[in-house]
Amino acid sequence: SQKIEQNSEALNIQEGKTATLTCNYTNYSPAYLQWYRQDPGRGPVFLLLIRENEKEKRKERLKVTFDTTLKQSLFHITASQPADSATYLCAPNSGGYQKVTFGTGTKLQVIP
Amino acid sequence: NAGVTQTPKFQVLKTGQSMTLQCAQDMNHNSMYWYRQDPGMGLRLIYYSASEGTTDKGEVPNGYNVSRLNKREFSLRLESAAPSQTSVYFCASGSPGLAGASEQFFGPGTRLTVL
Repeated sequence: SQKIEQNSEALNIQEGKTATLTCNYTNYSPAYLQWYRQDPGRGPVFLLLIRENEKEKRKERLKVTFDTTLKQSLFHITASQPADSATYLCAPNSGGYQKVTFGTGTKLQVIP
Repeated sequence: NAGVTQTPKFQVLKTGQSMTLQCAQDMNHNSMYWYRQDPGMGLRLIYYSASEGTTDKGEVPNGYNVSRLNKREFSLRLESAAPSQTSVYFCASGSPGLAGASEQFFGPGTRLTVL
């Protein structure tokens, strides 16, 4: 069955450093993958989408890579700030373009 | 634009009671989705509607029914609530373009407790 794995342990990093979050998937080949941010008590907010034919996508301090051979996506936040503290969810598409499957998320804590 | 709105924000039910969660979007999106989020389980798709007039089951549809009332509104009904349905429910909408993929816009969620 399709499986999506994100590091369930919280990631603590110092302000100003680069945070790197990992998303691994098995048993299928998504055509695209999305990353969302979720703050406590709120719905997820879309950040970036990367397609299978794109190796890398950037948006301001965010960078996403998509390695279809390794079946892995990496999400980077450079020059991290305390305001970046949140849970980050990866969501590869599944069962066609209409649907995505969400990982359980990684909680990021940026320490001032 | 209000985006995606959900009502109610909080609800407590007794086992066996029924209720309908309401969702509306004002972004003219074709697709709408209902998810539940439980600790350690992540977001799981209950039902989705790719376009007005169509609905399809997601990963965990048992115990739920949906209605795509029109392009704006997508409701989720619990006919006979069970404690296992205690969760946070999120509605989302999106509009896959020519390339097929699209971001999803989420509502603020409904926190449901079934006693």
